[in-house]
Amino acid sequence: GAGVSQTPSNKVTEKGKYVELRCDPISGHTALYWYRQSLGQGPEFLIYFQGTGAADDSGLPNDRFFAVRPEGSVSTLKIQRTERGDSAVYLCASSFTGGNSPLHFGNGTRLTVT
Amino acid sequence: EDQVTQSPEALRLQEGESSSLNCSYTVSGLRGLFWYRQDPGKGPEFLFTLYSAGEEKEKERLKATLTKKESFLHITAPKPEDSATYLCAVRAVDNYGQNFVFGPGTRLSVLP
Repeated sequence: GAGVSQTPSNKVTEKGKYVELRCDPISGHTALYWYRQSLGQGPEFLIYFQGTGAADDSGLPNDRFFAVRPEGSVSTLKIQRTERGDSAVYLCASSFTGGNSPLHFGNGTRLTVT
Repeated sequence: EDQVTQSPEALRLQEGESSSLNCSYTVSGLRGLFWYRQDPGKGPEFLFTLYSAGEEKEKERLKATLTKKESFLHITAPKPEDSATYLCAVRAVDNYGQNFVFGPGTRLSVLP
């Protein structure tokens, strides 16, 4: 079946602009995660959704970052007033809920803030 | 705070030269330890889940083992196509947020 889909694959924006990153999870997966990965580092947790609600947003670095999942499927990560330090690969992952279901990742959106 | 470290940071092997990668973790209670493979420009690809000390999982040339403090990913007779970054992650029993904590990864290069 189809895997996790993320769009766009690349996004270049100017400092101060607003960006939206989209994630389409695997059908039937109720849990959805956003991670951020900088070069040479492991993925860093941002936010976790269970269904439509954000069950844990403790990884969001500040209030410029916000994410939604209005219908419990597709999610959008929104970044306001982008800064050069926001440049990274933003990864989305989904999984079944409960037990130890592994995360299944998309290929990420590479965000570059100039 | 849950922590994961990995060593070495980078490893170069000749084709056929077996070795092991280490993942050390600190969690209050381990729910599961996960190994992933990541190719350049791609998202991490799931390899194994380990739940308790003494458990082992195998897939082709890879074998993952788990103790109470660390996990090893053994690579037997590697091939150039095994070149990738290998990530481990833990999920803690008391992690209300259910999130997975990742280590920084080991970059493996297998030379022909």
